Order: sequence, then C-alpha cells, then structure tokens
Amino acid sequence: DAKTTQPNSMESNEEEPVHLPCNHSTISGTDYIHWYRQLPSQGPEYVIHGLTSNVNNRMASLAIAEDRKSSTLILHRATLRDAAVYYCILRDQGGSEKLVFGKGMKLTVNP
Amino acid sequence: GAVVSQHPSWVICKSGTSVKIECRSLDFQATTMFWYRQFPKQSLMLMATSNEGSKATYEQGVEKDKFLINHASLTLSTLTVTSAHPEDSSFYICVGAGGNRVYGYTFGSGTRLTVV
Repeated sequence: DAKTTQPNSMESNEEEPVHLPCNHSTISGTDYIHWYRQLPSQGPEYVIHGLTSNVNNRMASLAIAEDRKSSTLILHRATLRDAAVYYCILRDQGGSEKLVFGKGMKLTVNP
Repeated sequence: GAVVSQHPSWVICKSGTSVKIECRSLDFQATTMFWYRQFPKQSLMLMATSNEGSKATYEQGVEKDKFLINHASLTLSTLTVTSAHPEDSSFYICVGAGGNRVYGYTFGSGTRLTVV
C-alpha cells in the first residue's frame, strides 16, 4: 500500500509558485522521498528525490520537514507544461525496491 | 541519460490474440524491470518484477500464465499479454532499474493496449 497521502488536486496560475504537499507520517529512517509526475498518455517522469535535506534541481525544489513526516514539492514558476499528476513516493533503499504509487495529485495550471 | 525505449506506443488487437510489448534499456543495464498497468483515471499498479536471467515475481492477483514476462538480457525485457480480452485494455508501463538504485528508475513511455 502507498505510504503517502496527497490532496486529490490543486490549481495554480501560470508563472506563479506552487507548493505540492505530501504526508508520510510512517516514513522510516531508510526511506527516500521521491516525486514523479505523469503527463497524459505518457509514462511518469522523475522530478526530484531527497532523504533529509532540502533539494534543488532544474525542475523543482523539495522541502523536507525536520521530522520527515511531510514534504513539499515546490515549482517556482508554474507553466502550462507542469500540468500533470504528481506522485509522492517513498522508496526504501534497504528493502523492496519496487515503487508503490498512490493516487497522486492532479495539478491544473491556469493561463 | 538513461532511457527505456518501450514499443509499441499503442496497439489494437482482436480478442483472443497475443500482444508483445518490448522495453529496451539504453545507455544502462536494467538488472530489474518492473511492469505496471494503469487503467483510465487510476494510478499505476505493479504487475510484476523481473530480474535478468530469473523468473518474474508477480503481484497478487496477476495471472502469470496470462502475462508472460521475459528478461533474458540486461537490456531487454518483454511482456506478452496472451489471449487478450477487452478487460486487458490498459496502459502498460515498464520501469528499468539498475546502477544507482537510489535514483536509478527509468520509465518507459508506455503502451496503450486496446483489445476489441
């Protein structure tokens, strides 16, 4: 079962920042937090991942709570191409390697 | 970067026929390939996990004789849907894992299967 919870959907406006929350209250010490997104009729694509520290890459930033029970994916300037279903997933490096997808969160970006 | 090339991107077949989906890992060796399927407006559901050179491990409720997985090499894994029926119509996605296991998940672009 998925070990994360996300809102079903969010809306944002183009060119504005958007914060996508994820709760993972049962996270273990060896779980990495991964974010993927899926555009319609495409396979998911990697967005970002982290363990404890906040992470930045060209696509987004990942802010991880100090207790690691929640995290936030930050898109600094949403574009229409960011409209997708976003999945927050925990990946246990020490155990099973499979990715368990929850329902994800649909992000709508308004022009 | 690492790429998983998945073919075909879409296929329509008649009920009762078999369909093969191929996933090739480019620029990396996929020691493990995960196969997912996704029904409309639903999330991805793991069907099976295959490791190169060994039999696939199927998730509960997935018929191994219907969904044949072959992972004969580090760069090629195939999923064959045998005796397809309309209820098998779905979006099938392969995911290659190898090398850096923390980051090293590479998704195929998916195959839209429609059984008529």
